[in-house]
Amino acid sequence: KAGVTQTPRYLIKTRGQQVTLSCSPISGHRSVSWYQQTPGQGLQFLFEYFSETQRNKGNFPGRFSGRQFSNSRSEMNVSTLELGDSALYLCASKIQPTPTDTQYFGPGTRLTVL
Amino acid sequence: QQQVKQSPQSLIVQKGGIPIINCAYENTAFDYFPWYQQFPGKGPALLIAIRPDVSEKKEGRFTISFNKSAKQFSLHIMDSQPGDSATYFCAASMNTGFQKLVFGTGTRLLVSP
Repeated sequence: KAGVTQTPRYLIKTRGQQVTLSCSPISGHRSVSWYQQTPGQGLQFLFEYFSETQRNKGNFPGRFSGRQFSNSRSEMNVSTLELGDSALYLCASKIQPTPTDTQYFGPGTRLTVL
Repeated sequence: QQQVKQSPQSLIVQKGGIPIINCAYENTAFDYFPWYQQFPGKGPALLIAIRPDVSEKKEGRFTISFNKSAKQFSLHIMDSQPGDSATYFCAASMNTGFQKLVFGTGTRLLVSP
């Protein structure tokens, strides 16, 4: 079974631009979560989607948004990029949105904002 | 109160040594504590997890110790190998409804040959 895939793997943008990242969960997984990973901060939860609805949201500004499609694929968007948005963005999927359900992470999208 | 504090930030041990990574939490409602292992260029992968109704859990060379009264838990790696060199994250969450995982800041482990 294929793992979680994220595209693109690397992205370079300039301040003020917007970016859309894509995540394809493992087949059969209906819950998708997004995390921001930076050195020193670890993994910060962005949001979780299940059945096309945002079920939980972390403490990030409204510039960070996401959505989930009927096939469980998910996208996240960051508008008006800032230098501090440079990070590895990780997507994770699991079968159900139960906290103890094993979460499988993709390899991430490395975003660099210049 | 939602934080999980992890230490040390980095750790170097010799092959065969027993690295210990510690985590502490404040929220007594947390009742699920997983550990994740991340290799360079990869996403984190679940290593082992524990619920607070047990004080210790072993899976192969990896052991979680849990101290509910102290609100601390730790990861021990027995007979560590160079292949264990990775970043380790502890995490915690409540086990009801749509709960997010709160992660520690990570420990970079290097096991020297």
